[in-house]
Amino acid sequence: DTAVSQTPKYLVTQMGNDKSIKCEQNLGHDTMYWYKQDSKKFLKIMFSYNNKELIINETVPNRFSPKSPDKAHLNLHINSLELGDSAVYFCASSQVGYSTPAYEQYFGPGTRLTVT
Amino acid sequence: GIQVEQSPPDLILQEGANSTLRCNFSDSVNNLQWFHQNPWGQLINLFYIPSGTKQNGRLSATTVATERYSLLYISSSQTTDSGVYFCAAQPILTGGGNKLTFGTGTQLKVEL
Repeated sequence: DTAVSQTPKYLVTQMGNDKSIKCEQNLGHDTMYWYKQDSKKFLKIMFSYNNKELIINETVPNRFSPKSPDKAHLNLHINSLELGDSAVYFCASSQVGYSTPAYEQYFGPGTRLTVT
Repeated sequence: GIQVEQSPPDLILQEGANSTLRCNFSDSVNNLQWFHQNPWGQLINLFYIPSGTKQNGRLSATTVATERYSLLYISSSQTTDSGVYFCAAQPILTGGGNKLTFGTGTQLKVEL
């Protein structure tokens, strides 16, 4: 009955490799997000998708490419991994987001990526 | 963009003590959430509180939207309350998507 799930939970890889992280939500939400938490625990949004359409791209390098096959899934593919990509990546979801107040966001368990 | 500041950055409590964590934000908000990141790294939703007051067990939160701050109260703290508490806010913007901006967190340690 997990609401927002991510796989894998841990990912250790070498510089230059390509990797993907998958996210699924069973809350019936229309909007999904990727956030990055760095080594100092600072959390920042990377991308947001509404019903498979990209609506937020926070100046993330082109090596990061999100893909949303349907509104319940949002995957993150990272090409040519660099040491600085090491972080915890959180997926989140919410209802469609143009209301006032905006809807609550729910977060997945996170994927800890370590690039060596 | 919106600035979200939390205080104090670090807090050590004896079990059973009460505490108040503060979150100041620079713009009018459409969403304000409090999270607890436990020692295993999981982000747990505590409160969705763009305005008003809510209570959940030993925790309660108040957001005074007109004065741009929110408070999280922890009463009778327990060791399981340890971790990082984040406040996150979304400004009222027209045409923009939902985007939570997080504060830098309050690291809480509750000791026996």
